[in-house]
Amino acid sequence: DVKVTQSSRYLVKRTGEKVFLECVQDMDHENMFWYRQDPGLGLRLIYFSYDVKMKEKGDIPEGYSVSREKKERFSLILESASTNQTSMYLCASSFRGVGANVLTFGAGSRLTVL
Amino acid sequence: GQQVMQIPQYQHVQEGEDFTTYCNSSTTLSNIQWYKQRPGGHPVFLIQLVKSGEVKKQKRLTFQFGEAKKNSSLHITATQTTDVGTYFCNGGSNYKLTFGKGTLLTVNP
Repeated sequence: DVKVTQSSRYLVKRTGEKVFLECVQDMDHENMFWYRQDPGLGLRLIYFSYDVKMKEKGDIPEGYSVSREKKERFSLILESASTNQTSMYLCASSFRGVGANVLTFGAGSRLTVL
Repeated sequence: GQQVMQIPQYQHVQEGEDFTTYCNSSTTLSNIQWYKQRPGGHPVFLIQLVKSGEVKKQKRLTFQFGEAKKNSSLHITATQTTDVGTYFCNGGSNYKLTFGKGTLLTVNP
């Protein structure tokens, strides 16, 4: 069964801490995405990557950075966590080309920043 | 930028009733995707529509893509409690997909 695995389901961090959210996919997908999901706001794209070492800003990149050193792994980094970054973070992946818009999501990482 | 509006935001039905959610884009979409997210779960891909006027069925679910490729609908016939969840559409191009905010469906048994 194809999978997108997010390293942590629940995290609690303090304001100002550096936070790493890891995502690994085993489907050999070229594209990977990070979304955050908040009640009433739906899914918002933070960053995406269409190839190793490539990254593109999504709709809400402020306060976040990403890293993609290997095809299967896409990391989201909060350099200095703030309370307004408390959210559910969802990683997703897809093939390039025709299937690019068909996303497979991970189970999500619920981050609480105190 | 591109906007995808989804209505209604919430829908509560009695088991056995039909349900429809609509997705409307401000721009023409190359394709549109539908996802379902169960409570406490993550979005799971249901279907992709590509052609103008396309209609696809999955058991009790019927998906339509408008002729102008700016709107889409998901219709569930005779809802069951297992249909509970949030239904999202997304569309766009060049990786910058825009999700609708979803329709939360609750079903009273």
